[in-house]
Amino acid sequence: EAQVTQNPRYLITVTGKKLTVTCSQNMNHEYMSWYRQDPGLGLRQIYYSMNVEVTDKGDVPEGYKVSRKEKRNFPLILESPSPNQTSLYFCASSPALMTVNEQYFGPGTRLTVT
Amino acid sequence: KNQVEQSPQSLIILEGKNCTLQCNYTVSPFSNLRWYKQDTGRGPVSLTIMTFSENTKSNGRYTATLDADTKQSSLHITASQLSDSASYICVVTSGTYKYIFGTGTRLKVLA
Repeated sequence: EAQVTQNPRYLITVTGKKLTVTCSQNMNHEYMSWYRQDPGLGLRQIYYSMNVEVTDKGDVPEGYKVSRKEKRNFPLILESPSPNQTSLYFCASSPALMTVNEQYFGPGTRLTVT
Repeated sequence: KNQVEQSPQSLIILEGKNCTLQCNYTVSPFSNLRWYKQDTGRGPVSLTIMTFSENTKSNGRYTATLDADTKQSSLHITASQLSDSASYICVVTSGTYKYIFGTGTRLKVLA
């Protein structure tokens, strides 16, 4: 089944403890992206990747890191999480965006930083 | 500043009724406009994608329109069902890789 998977789905952590949220897609998509969703603000793009080893900042990249060493994986790293990073996170993928393609979203990761 | 604004913020309708959701945008450059449906706690699912040259697109009971001159789009839901209860998000793609999301309209369909 074609899908985007994220792990973990739920995470409660403490301020400053490094964490990684994994994202994997099995559709051979070039483009992958991370978003956070907060009440009243909608989804905001954190980072995106156009292909392996090619990444760029979205609208809210501060406090996050990403890497794209393989086409299927795009982990989101929080080196020193803070309470303002408590949010619902979505990973998404699509074929190369030069054409009008659908973007497929993962199921989401709910992160709480205390 | 690139912005996507949606109205209303929330809407309650009776099952079987029609409704229309609005999206106004100020995004440049404009590539395409998408409508997504998001069930609570789940990832958004694409309903329609429209480019600059398209002014209407349907997906079952969902019909989206786009007026590129006035920078407005609407999503019309016909004969609503309980399963239509969700948030509906308007998204404008700017350039090649940038997505600008609206804050969504929360729709509740009552039996």
